Amino acid sequence: SQQGEEDPQALSIQEGENATMNCSYKTSINNLQWYRQNSGRGLVHLILIRSNEREKHSGRLRVTLDTSKKSSSLLITASRAADTASYFCATDVRDGNKLVFGAGTILRVKS
Amino acid sequence: NAGVTQTPKFQVLKTGQSMTLQCAQDMNHEYMSWYRQDPGMGLRLIHYSVGAGITDQGEVPNGYNVSRSTTEDFPLRLLSAAPSQTSVYFCASSYSRGEQTQYFGPGTRLLVL
Repeated sequence: SQQGEEDPQALSIQEGENATMNCSYKTSINNLQWYRQNSGRGLVHLILIRSNEREKHSGRLRVTLDTSKKSSSLLITASRAADTASYFCATDVRDGNKLVFGAGTILRVKS
Repeated sequence: NAGVTQTPKFQVLKTGQSMTLQCAQDMNHEYMSWYRQDPGMGLRLIHYSVGAGITDQGEVPNGYNVSRSTTEDFPLRLLSAAPSQTSVYFCASSYSRGEQTQYFGPGTRLLVL
């Protein structure tokens, strides 16, 4: 089963609204990353949060990490139509040599 | 920099055929990996390499081989294609194993009939 699982599977909002996506994972991690994938394209890295960090910001993105609950959230503020994409969390598993991806959240921003 | 490049972009195979998906990066990255992406499944790790001459299995390695003779190239071989291998394949690379931000190629869409 997936190490990281996103919730919700799909999200549809109006332009200007905020979008929140959640990620849960199962084992200890070194860091957690969020990626975006536009339709038919490769993934693009958005933000990385280390296991000893609780919150991180990058432009309109805000990521939180709660290691006690093994969960993370990605908030996109003031969404734009161009934010329409799939969003994936990926966990850098401790004692592993790999990045494990969740199934993703499909975000649609309507203009 | 071209970044991570993959060829071909699209391929149709018949069951039992073999082929090699090419991946190259020009960023001098040590760590490279192959993923497959299926609807509703996210990305699943097939094989990865922490440097030239070193490879290891990921989550779904069966039916695939890899080698890493140079830092730049990391080809993925399908030994005997099966319909279950119909998928989109992504190659990725990063500077190192630790705290890695992965750079992805554009993907290869494979259809096995």
